[in-house]
Amino acid sequence: DAKTTQPPSMDCAEGRAANLPCNHSTISGNEYVYWYRQIHSQGPQYIIHGLKNNETNEMASLIITEDRKSSTLILPHATLRDTAVYYCIVRGMNYGGSQGNLIFGKGTKLSVKP
Amino acid sequence: NAGVTQTPKFRILKIGQSMTLQCTQDMNHNYMYWYRQDPGMGLKLIYYSVGAGITDKGEVPNGYNVSRSTTEDFPLRLELAAPSQTSVYFCASSAGKNTGELFFGEGSRLTVL
Repeated sequence: DAKTTQPPSMDCAEGRAANLPCNHSTISGNEYVYWYRQIHSQGPQYIIHGLKNNETNEMASLIITEDRKSSTLILPHATLRDTAVYYCIVRGMNYGGSQGNLIFGKGTKLSVKP
Repeated sequence: NAGVTQTPKFRILKIGQSMTLQCTQDMNHNYMYWYRQDPGMGLKLIYYSVGAGITDKGEVPNGYNVSRSTTEDFPLRLELAAPSQTSVYFCASSAGKNTGELFFGEGSRLTVL
């Protein structure tokens, strides 16, 4: 899997948009970008994923640059409950071996402040 | 639905003891995984399974064993526990090879003294 680079930490004011960047300059054409988050010591939670088009769901929006070398996860109105570590992961589809072997790096620790 | 359930939530072992971490899911998922997470680090894959009767090693399998006799259950066995196995263990499941959406359990915190 391609490696990703994320800032170790970010702060965001409650009610404002949180924009979490991720670089994945070595991503290949059939690899998806996934975002997960981990609140305190809980199990990671899937947020969203995309290939090349921007994606939106009830939790967040994912903006992928045209060259696919970077992406941004957007939490439109961050709340205190969004304080968590956010993981950006690149994963291919339809490959053998360790299917679903999501490689979790250290992620970005987002602190939402009142 | 309960999703992915792990037991126990906490356990303290002495060096050399053995134990089994239990994981069960009620979503009829074929794929199941065991990860470990050391303090301040990301998750590392220990073992995974693509269906009942089929298991394979992940990134850090040494010191662990798994079995998958049913679709629902995927226990992780620690033989001869060592301090290096002190970690938080997460079980996860997914619907199949075409999805990267994993459902995780709440974790099992293991301390080996």
